[in-house]
Amino acid sequence: DTAVSQTPKYLVTQMGNDKSIKCEQNLGHDTMYWYKQDSKKFLKIMFSYNNKELIINETVPNRFSPKSPDKAHLNLHINSLELGDSAVYFCASSHLGRRGYEQYFGPGTRLTVT
Amino acid sequence: QQQVKQSPQSLIVQKGGISIINCAYENTAFDYFPWYQQFPGKGPALLIAIRPDVSEKKEGRFTISFNKSAKQFSLHIMDSQPGDSATYFCAAPWGQGGKLIFGQGTELSVKP
Repeated sequence: DTAVSQTPKYLVTQMGNDKSIKCEQNLGHDTMYWYKQDSKKFLKIMFSYNNKELIINETVPNRFSPKSPDKAHLNLHINSLELGDSAVYFCASSHLGRRGYEQYFGPGTRLTVT
Repeated sequence: QQQVKQSPQSLIVQKGGISIINCAYENTAFDYFPWYQQFPGKGPALLIAIRPDVSEKKEGRFTISFNKSAKQFSLHIMDSQPGDSATYFCAAPWGQGGKLIFGQGTELSVKP
């Protein structure tokens, strides 16, 4: 029944490690997003994929690499983790076009880098 | 680039009162302007959205007022309830691909 799911919910790791976050949506949407929410709750888009094609690529360190194996899945791989990467990462999905503002968010992955 | 300024940062309202959150954007856009609601430990969820050619939209206790000439829009929560306590984000569309620029968020606390 879950519309947008993410795994894991919590991720605690040390600096320098590599980690991945997975996202899946069962809403039939054609567009998926990654957002970062910092400790002040500021929400900023990182990437967006439409039908497996990267369409939004914000100014994000290239240690972050998204991958979309199909339009229902979007993963985020982070290399050489840094303290500043600690945040909550949200996956979201929507239809592209006029209803692009209607985004459905997952429960988030709280990443803590020590 | 689109900039969105949201105020206040936090708001305390008594039960039954009116909560008002304001947003200002910089660049004209032609898609919907949404408001999202986020409860602690959850992802944001779409609350209500307004087209830029409409001045007001009401859904239950929630109303968006839109002033296109001033590039401002606001969320009014009538008869505020403790269950409304959450963080509220306004957002403005920008560019292609469903890109939303979010405001800084307003933490609303409704006291019983």
